[in-house]
Amino acid sequence: AQTVTQSQPEMSVQEAETVTLSCTYDTSESDYYLFWYKQPPSRQMILVIRQEAYKQQNATENRFSVNFQKAAKSFSLKISDSQLGDAAMYFCAYRSGNQFYFGTGTSLTVIP
Amino acid sequence: DVKVTQSSRYLVKRTGEKVFLECVQDMDHENMFWYRQDPGLGLRLIYFSYDVKMKEKGDIPEGYSVSREKKERFSLILESASTNQTSMYLCASTFSGLNYGYTFGSGTRLTVV
Repeated sequence: AQTVTQSQPEMSVQEAETVTLSCTYDTSESDYYLFWYKQPPSRQMILVIRQEAYKQQNATENRFSVNFQKAAKSFSLKISDSQLGDAAMYFCAYRSGNQFYFGTGTSLTVIP
Repeated sequence: DVKVTQSSRYLVKRTGEKVFLECVQDMDHENMFWYRQDPGLGLRLIYFSYDVKMKEKGDIPEGYSVSREKKERFSLILESASTNQTSMYLCASTFSGLNYGYTFGSGTRLTVV
């Protein structure tokens, strides 16, 4: 069974600093995608970044990047130059076929 | 701008009532999903649908049913609401194909009293 684990329920970062959110997953499949979603206090979940399992190059979207370690089944999110608007719940997700599997989330606080 | 729209942001219902949560997407997505979100438990899948009139049980289908009569609309039904169904309900949709992420609705905060 596929599982996604986020071991940090809460994290905090100083504004302008860098923070890394951890995610591990378990799967026996070889073809899949990984995603990070952000849920601000207003609730709507939005896609931050995605990574294809076959691509060795880590995905980057502006200040957001991932560290994808396929052998270790690790998919961490790095947020550089943190801003107040980055405060949110962050969910790691794995897609196999038409189903997504989510972690339990990490609540990120940004300290001014 | 593409959207998943959930009909209500907040709902308060009485125990035993039949409750309908509606979700409409305008992206022609084949796949639609209902989750409930509870603190510390993350997102738990209730039901999903790959096509019109098709439905599949997720991880926690008990006490819920769904309807998908049209491609764009996926309804979640609480047959007889109970207090343990007080939660945030999220609808999502996506295309088939691994590289597509979900598009989520804004959520419905349901309180059963």
